Amino acid sequence: QLQLQESGPGLVKPSETLSLTCTVSGDSISSTSYYWGWIRQPPVKGLEWIGNIYYSGTTYYNPSLKSRVTISVDTSKNQFSLKLNSVTAADTALYYCAGLSYDSSGFRVEYWGQGTLVTVSS
Amino acid sequence: SYELTQPPSVSVSAGQTASITCSGDKLGDKYVCWYQQKPGQSPVLVMYQDNKRPSGIPERFSGSNSGNTATLTISGTQIIDEADYHCQAWDTSTADVVFGGGTKLTVL
Repeated sequence: QLQLQESGPGLVKPSETLSLTCTVSGDSISSTSYYWGWIRQPPVKGLEWIGNIYYSGTTYYNPSLKSRVTISVDTSKNQFSLKLNSVTAADTALYYCAGLSYDSSGFRVEYWGQGTLVTVSS
Repeated sequence: SYELTQPPSVSVSAGQTASITCSGDKLGDKYVCWYQQKPGQSPVLVMYQDNKRPSGIPERFSGSNSGNTATLTISGTQIIDEADYHCQAWDTSTADVVFGGGTKLTVL
């Protein structure tokens, strides 16, 4: 059973870079069974996909965030990370890391972290 | 970019059937999955590939997808089913993951 745990600052200043890390346990991040992703949920709103990464480094990003997002993987630490630069108050949200399966029907989230709240404020 | 639309809220009496819709252009040509999210909790996958239930999801949950609309149906709705429900699809042309805005299900 996969477990994912987000970590990182809960408060980021406007115009700075949001950085989060997800630690994976219960399986290797190099597993061919999963993609690893980030999804966020602004307060009292729906879910928004940020992007996915495969252990090989292949990435897929939400077009609306692509210019500001970088997702990377560290196989030695069984972790993957999110960087979102030039943040504004609109980036305030609960950030989830996720383990996604991929098949002919596309991506679906099989495992979710507990989420970490990031507030953008000076 | 591809968009999915859900009603903000749906109400149902306990024991009755709840239907939650998700609409998108030619959505029937894509596969849809559904997540249940209870207050203060992370979402849980309750349906994938339109109508397949993950292990542990009760049989009262079913799904369909045709034309421009996918539907999550809960038969014999229980109080414990009260939650937000999010649909999700995958845009085959761009590989983008797309979520609907979510529907709050209230069980009366």
